[in-house]
Amino acid sequence: QVQLQESGPGLVKPSETLSLTCTVSGGSISNYFWDWVRQSPGKGLEWIGYFSPSGTTNYNPSLQSRVTISLDMSRNQFSLRLTSVTAADTALYFCARDYGGHAFDYWGQGILVTVSS
Amino acid sequence: QSVLTQPPSLSAAPGQKVTISCSGSTSNIGKNYVSWYQQLPGTAPKLLIYDNNRRPSGIPDRFSGSKSGTSATLGITGLQTGDEADYFCGTWDSRLSAVIFGGGTKLTVL
Repeated sequence: QVQLQESGPGLVKPSETLSLTCTVSGGSISNYFWDWVRQSPGKGLEWIGYFSPSGTTNYNPSLQSRVTISLDMSRNQFSLRLTSVTAADTALYFCARDYGGHAFDYWGQGILVTVSS
Repeated sequence: QSVLTQPPSLSAAPGQKVTISCSGSTSNIGKNYVSWYQQLPGTAPKLLIYDNNRRPSGIPDRFSGSKSGTSATLGITGLQTGDEADYFCGTWDSRLSAVIFGGGTKLTVL
């Protein structure tokens, strides 16, 4: 059974960089797209971006200038970096496996990140 | 405001059938597959439907999906109190080059 687990700081100061890691267990990280999705408190889902099996990335245009998603196959992990954060970046951040058709079949439990001084 | 439009809330009685609509455009639902997710309070979303109408293993056939033109529909039959949740549709938008989601529908089973 594939399992995903997010980790990282739950509090980030404004203007600093948010860094999260997703550890994948129960299956190989190769041959799938790996995505980050976030959900602001009480709001809907917002796609952040993906890392593809070919090593390319694709990001939400609204976040593209601030986002980097990377993958470490040796550790079965992928990561999110979001720079210059503001209070608007406060959200529950999920990592998810994208089976290839932009549908997410496995999700982490989510990690709440609050941007505050 | 989401690119995909869903009714904010719906309610139905146990045992009844409900349909949740998801309206988009030619750049998203009109040319790409639609997926549906169930999010119970305090949990991560769960994939219910992918590729418009396919169910992952373990999802009961009470849940069904369909697509016509630029709209998609999630159907749930034999409603149970455990179906109370938020439901989201999602798809790829070819113009935005991004995955997009509907704003979500809060389903109440009363």
